[in-house]
Amino acid sequence: DTGVSQDPRHKITKRGQNVTFRCDPISEHNRLYWYRQTLGQGPEFLTYFQNEAQLEKSRLLSDRFSAERPKGSFSTLEIQRTEQGDSAMYLCASSLEGSGNTIYFGEGSWLTVV
Amino acid sequence: AQRVTQPEKLLSVFKGAPVELKCNYSYSGSPELFWYVQYSRQRLQLLLRHISRESIKGFTADLNKGETSFHLKKPFAQEEDSAMYYCALRALSGTYKYIFGTGTRLKVLA
Repeated sequence: DTGVSQDPRHKITKRGQNVTFRCDPISEHNRLYWYRQTLGQGPEFLTYFQNEAQLEKSRLLSDRFSAERPKGSFSTLEIQRTEQGDSAMYLCASSLEGSGNTIYFGEGSWLTVV
Repeated sequence: AQRVTQPEKLLSVFKGAPVELKCNYSYSGSPELFWYVQYSRQRLQLLLRHISRESIKGFTADLNKGETSFHLKKPFAQEEDSAMYYCALRALSGTYKYIFGTGTRLKVLA
């Protein structure tokens, strides 16, 4: 499968612990996006990168959240001191500049904070 | 602020009936509009974009700037159309941030 891949697919963690999610975009895609989705809601924008530069961040992305894309390829999303309200699906997507702005989603990483 | 509204959480229609999934947006500038679909146990995927003016799987959507709408239509629903449908907007102002609606679940009944 050459689509966007995310790891882990599921994570259960205790409140207060740190978690990290990884996203591998489609090869050569220079834009990478993180979204969060809770039950009954659509994907909510968190942040996006163009190559290694983080160009935009949502106000949803509190100080406990940090995303990186150090070499312009894979990306990580870390949540520090998790809270129950962080329980959600974290979606990664990627796109190629000049390809019509279609974004391709991964299958998501489910986070449950207990 | 940019916003996408999908007023129906659930839409049930019989096979062969016409379908219209509503999408309204608020944005003062020029937007790019999309419909994404998520079939059971599959990832979110693009269905169509207003710029392409194409018909995919029998679905069409027309951007109405006067009514700020981008409704998705299909004249004859099929059972395989049952899925979650999300309308999304991107502001054509140099950003690549996509705003999604809350989605509409379409159920096509036999």
